[in-house]
Amino acid sequence: AQSVDQPDAHVTLYEGASLELRCSYSYSAAPYLFWYVQYPGQSLQFLLKYITGDAVVKGTKGFEAEFRKSNSSFNLKKSPAHWSDSAKYFCALEGSGTGSKLSFGKGAKLTVSP
Amino acid sequence: EAAVTQSPRSKVAVTGGKVTLSCHQTNNHDYMYWYRQDTGHGLRLIHYSYVADSTEKGDIPDGYKASRPSQENFSLILELASLSQTAVYFCASSPRNTEVFFGKGTRLTVV
Repeated sequence: AQSVDQPDAHVTLYEGASLELRCSYSYSAAPYLFWYVQYPGQSLQFLLKYITGDAVVKGTKGFEAEFRKSNSSFNLKKSPAHWSDSAKYFCALEGSGTGSKLSFGKGAKLTVSP
Repeated sequence: EAAVTQSPRSKVAVTGGKVTLSCHQTNNHDYMYWYRQDTGHGLRLIHYSYVADSTEKGDIPDGYKASRPSQENFSLILELASLSQTAVYFCASSPRNTEVFFGKGTRLTVV
C-alpha cells in the first residue's frame, strides 16, 4: 500500500517570507515523488520530481524540494514567496513497480499576502 | 507539447443515467489515469491503465468502469450515475516516472 499525507490543509504567509509545505509518504520501496500546483479554476501543473540521486531537487517557478528518507518526507520550499505563488499544491507518489499507480495527497492551499 | 483532451468539459446528468467521459492523448504515453477532485479530498484515483486493452482499479473504483481501447483513448463510464459522483474529473497521461500531463477537467453535476 502507498499513501501521501499533507498535514497542512491551509498555509498563509506574507510576501517575502520563506515557504515550506510538508509532505510525508508511506511506501515499502523506493518512491518516485512529485509536486504539482493548481491555480484556481485550472488543471494541475508539474513543479518538480525526485526519482533518485541528489536529495534536493529544483523545479520550475523557483521551487525546490528535499527528499528525506529518514523521516519519509518530501517538503516543498521557496524563498522568498511571492503573491503569485498563491495556489493549491499537491504532493504525489508513484510506486516503483511496473503498473504502479500514482497517488496524490489532499493538497495544501497556500495564500501569500502582499 | 504534450496534450490531453477531455470531453465533455461540463455535463449535467440525471440520477440513474449513464455517463461516459472521454479522454484522448497525443503523447503516445503508456500510462493514463482518471481522478476525481472534491473539496477536502484532493485528487483520488479511480482507474488507470498502463497498456491498451487493460485497466486497473485505483483507490475508489466503485461505481465506475474504465475502458482503454487504444493507446490514445481512455474512457470513464458511470453506468448508474449518483448524486455522490458530482465532482470534477481529471484525465492524465504519463510515460512513467516523470511528469504527468493533465487534461483541463470535466465538471460533472448529477441531479
